[in-house]
Amino acid sequence: KAGVTQTPRYLIKTRGQQVTLSCSPISGHRSVSWYQQTPGQGLQFLFEYFSETQRNKGNFPGRFSGRQFSNSRSEMNVSTLELGDSALYLCASSLDGRGTEAFFGQGTRLTVV
Amino acid sequence: AQKITQTQPGMFVQEKEAVTLDCTYDTSDQSYGLFWYKQPSSGEMIFLIYQGSYDEQNATEGRYSLNFQKARKSANLVISASQLGDSAMYFCAMREGSISNFGNEKLTFGTGTRLTIIP
Repeated sequence: KAGVTQTPRYLIKTRGQQVTLSCSPISGHRSVSWYQQTPGQGLQFLFEYFSETQRNKGNFPGRFSGRQFSNSRSEMNVSTLELGDSALYLCASSLDGRGTEAFFGQGTRLTVV
Repeated sequence: AQKITQTQPGMFVQEKEAVTLDCTYDTSDQSYGLFWYKQPSSGEMIFLIYQGSYDEQNATEGRYSLNFQKARKSANLVISASQLGDSAMYFCAMREGSISNFGNEKLTFGTGTRLTIIP
């Protein structure tokens, strides 16, 4: 079966712009989580959505937001981009939040110039 | 305090040897799960193995096994018969939660270990 799909794979944006990243989870999975990975801070949790509701949120400013659609696909939006937002953004999907597996996509590498 | 500690920033191992990647964790929850992921240079996080806090047996998946020592709060990954393709970053992660509310999908990651397999 198809894995977790993230689009786009690479993105270059200018400071002050906004960006939307997309994540399609494994079919049947209802939980989608987002993570930011940077060399300095490592992997940090952004937020998790389950059945279209944000269930958990990490310590990121309000410029970072997300949503989940009825088909479990999720989008993450970052407004007013800053240079420090340059990172690999990974999403993970799991069945219902109780599973013993969490599968990640290939990530979207965002560069802010 | 760090919730997940990986003390080996980098390791070099000869091909076909076994390798142990260290991971210690800190939690006050009785119910939690421990994960190991492999991240090649392409960036994708590849799920390797899972250990639940109530699992009595150590988890195994092919060449991967998890040496779970609950009292020591240790969850080391063992890779047997290493291969050149095992060269990558390896991350240990934990998901905390209670039995009644085990829907918390937040994973807390360690800083990773870069494993290099030498031919």
